Amino acid sequence: AQSVTQLGSHVSVSEGALVLLRCNYSSSVPPYLFWYVQYPNQGLQLLLKYTTGATLVKGINGFEAEFKKSETSFHLTKPSAHMSDAAEYFCAVSRADSGNTPLVFGKGTRLSVIA
Amino acid sequence: EPEVTQTPSHQVTQMGQEVILRCVPISNHLYFYWYRQILGQKVEFLVSFYNNEISEKSEIFDDQFSVERPDGSNFTLKIRSTKLEDSAMYFCASSRDHSNQPQHFGDGTRLSIL
Repeated sequence: AQSVTQLGSHVSVSEGALVLLRCNYSSSVPPYLFWYVQYPNQGLQLLLKYTTGATLVKGINGFEAEFKKSETSFHLTKPSAHMSDAAEYFCAVSRADSGNTPLVFGKGTRLSVIA
Repeated sequence: EPEVTQTPSHQVTQMGQEVILRCVPISNHLYFYWYRQILGQKVEFLVSFYNNEISEKSEIFDDQFSVERPDGSNFTLKIRSTKLEDSAMYFCASSRDHSNQPQHFGDGTRLSIL
């Protein structure tokens, strides 16, 4: 079974400050890991993914995440927050052992950016 | 960039009625999914579909639900005898045929059961 825990349902940062959204996963098989962003009244947009290879992955809008197997973590960071980053962020895990498998999502973290 | 499109954006239905939610996946994608998000809760997997059959389903996806790919482009979710607790945002997603290909989501259909 797989699960995702996102620490902090709401994170608030000042514009220009570091963004850190935490994600820990549990998986009995090698995982694929994803971060999605959801803007109000919109669907889920892929920010970045980890499948194989380099453990530090870069995504869109200046975000990046690092897969740390020893810590079962996949935290999302951005060096400098922008007002347009305000949204809901979801970490998700799927199984890497077979085909295209369902995503298991965390509960999400709402990011607020203060001017 | 190709998108997953869902219709309608908002559906209001009386309890007990049947609803059909429609999705047009990205044209070269082979795997299709339905997820739902009850207000304030996490996104939950319902069902995946490949090669014209269900490949995986969750406990939520009981006999009340069915999926169909009636033609070469549409992918539908039918909910029979709707209940108040079916009120949620329903997302369709699609992906290509490789296991490390990400799922692309539509903007969702907000289903309100009265």
